[in-house]
Amino acid sequence: GIQVEQSPPDLILQEGANSTLRCNFSDSVNNLQWFHQNPWGQLINLFYIPSGTKQNGRLSATTVATERYSLLYISSSQTTDSGVYFCAVEYSGNTPLVFGKGTRLSVIA
Amino acid sequence: DAGVIQSPRHEVTEMGQEVTLRCKPISGHNSLFWYRQTMMRGLELLIYFNNNVPIDDSGMPEDRFSAKMPNASFSTLKIQPSEPRDSAVYFCASGRDRNYEQYFGPGTRLTVT
Repeated sequence: GIQVEQSPPDLILQEGANSTLRCNFSDSVNNLQWFHQNPWGQLINLFYIPSGTKQNGRLSATTVATERYSLLYISSSQTTDSGVYFCAVEYSGNTPLVFGKGTRLSVIA
Repeated sequence: DAGVIQSPRHEVTEMGQEVTLRCKPISGHNSLFWYRQTMMRGLELLIYFNNNVPIDDSGMPEDRFSAKMPNASFSTLKIQPSEPRDSAVYFCASGRDRNYEQYFGPGTRLTVT
């Protein structure tokens, strides 16, 4: 069936550390997005990245569609980066956007 | 742009009551999505509209749930009658089209007692 697997499920970082979050998917995709859900529950768009590499400040993402994975890099983490990071995938064939279970990140000072 | 607007932000109601959640998508977007987030099931799509027409409502849990989009700038999700298991955060999202980036509203936290 349709799967979106994220790892690790939980991550604790010291402020200033770098991290890599992974999203594996099981088929060709039309759409892949990374979201950050902050402690107040807001879902914030980070990247729309069905393929290739993008960077936005301390964050960057790479999707290798042929190998069915995407990576989110967070550099020089800050306490405000805490929250849950979701990968969401829309597979070819007009399937709905399917969310992974997320990676819960806690950045401690 | 104001982003996707949802109201109310919080709703507490008693079992059996009717609940109406409202959404204003981003201007110019022609796709609108309603999602529900719970601890048990995560984020799941309830219904999707394109050009104000419901395209996929396979995620609507049962007949107590209904959604409308009378025009391009307004949608409602209604639960009647509400039950405690409907307690969740309900998100509305909009996008330029089905396969494009989706932008989420702040959500409505619904508690049914």
